[in-house]
Amino acid sequence: AQKVTQAQTEISVVEKEDVTLDCVYETRDTTYYLFWYKQPPSGELVFLIRRNSFDEQNEISGRYSWNFQKSTSSFNFTITASQVVDSAVYFCALRRATGANNLFFGTGTRLTVIP
Amino acid sequence: EAGVAQSPRYKIIEKRQSVAFWCNPISGHATLYWYQQILGQGPKLLIQFQNNGVVDDSQLPKDRFSAERLKGVDSTLKIQPAKLEDSAVYLCASSFLGVIPTHNEQFFGPGTRLTVL
Repeated sequence: AQKVTQAQTEISVVEKEDVTLDCVYETRDTTYYLFWYKQPPSGELVFLIRRNSFDEQNEISGRYSWNFQKSTSSFNFTITASQVVDSAVYFCALRRATGANNLFFGTGTRLTVIP
Repeated sequence: EAGVAQSPRYKIIEKRQSVAFWCNPISGHATLYWYQQILGQGPKLLIQFQNNGVVDDSQLPKDRFSAERLKGVDSTLKIQPAKLEDSAVYLCASSFLGVIPTHNEQFFGPGTRLTVL
């Protein structure tokens, strides 16, 4: 069975602080994909990143960076110099590489950036 | 390029009533998903279509929920009769069906927020 755990329910930071959102996953598959989505107050899920299970290189995109560690089954997301517009609920998700390719989501982390 | 469209955006009904949601996926996307997102939780798959066939409906409460995608494009999700615990946001997503899995990203619509009183 696939499972994604986001232990942090809510995080508040002051603008310009760095913040890391944790994600731990469980799967017996050897090949899979990991994702982060952002859900702003409007409700739409916005795709941020996809990572293949065989690619453990960290990735940076502007103020966003992701740390994938297969040894600890973690896929953490860091926002550098946070901004008010980063306030949203962030979801980590897992998708199998074979079979039905639906997403298994964590429970989300609500990030509030205080000006 | 137009995104995934859903309607209505909001719906309030009383328990035991019926309700239907509509989804129009991104043009050319063969795969369509319906997810249920209860407040404070992550979305959970209800049903997945590939063209007009069902790929996975194992989590769909079939005694009250039904979904169809007759022409392989638009889809409707129906609840009859609704219960209080059906209050949630219903998200529709679509993806391209390609040989390379990395091309099969899911794009989500804005969702329909259902409140059952």
